[in-house]
Amino acid sequence: LAKTTQPISMDSYEGQEVNITCSHNNIATNDYITWYQQFPSQGPRFIIQGYKTKVTNEVASLFIPADRKSSTLSLPRVSLSDTAVYYCLVGDATNAGKSTFGDGTTLTVKP
Amino acid sequence: GAVVSQHPSWVICKSGTSVKIECRSLDFQATTMFWYRQFPKQSLMLMATSNEGSKATYEQGVEKDKFLINHASLTLSTLTVTSAHPEDSSFYICSARALGRTTNEKLFFGSGTQLSVL
Repeated sequence: LAKTTQPISMDSYEGQEVNITCSHNNIATNDYITWYQQFPSQGPRFIIQGYKTKVTNEVASLFIPADRKSSTLSLPRVSLSDTAVYYCLVGDATNAGKSTFGDGTTLTVKP
Repeated sequence: GAVVSQHPSWVICKSGTSVKIECRSLDFQATTMFWYRQFPKQSLMLMATSNEGSKATYEQGVEKDKFLINHASLTLSTLTVTSAHPEDSSFYICSARALGRTTNEKLFFGSGTQLSVL
């Protein structure tokens, strides 16, 4: 299972766009990239998933370059409530749940 | 989206007692569920994979006799921490894999259980 590397922490201000990059050099052909958000004392919550190029939903965008060795989660116009830990996971559908959670990125949004 | 209910949300117990944590998939069937533990300021660590109707698969270093997992139905998995000790105090989280869904989201997490052993 592919190992991921993310920045440990990031700071931002309300209304800014935040981009969090994850490295996954050993990603396999069948692997998808999934991002989760976790608030203190809660379980992770699904944000977005992608395989290649760009995926966008109502809360975020996910950019994946052609070599798929990294991915960038983009949060538009963050608010204080976006302060959380963000994890990127890499794995195929048959291994969903067994993917290793890396250290995650603690995003702190300031007023 | 699909809902996974985890109960209790927090529990305090005396050292040496056993604690059971339940994980239910409310609106879908889950042949596979997962149990994690998370220490403060740390990431989630996979403890075991719970398979309906068969024995759980434990990750290396996790004592199967201490962390008993039962997955007797397609909607319920339980984790029992036997003879709990203070070092077992942690945040325990379950997740359930939903099959046959057309959306990208296929893994759903419970809200977690904070276990404190005195």
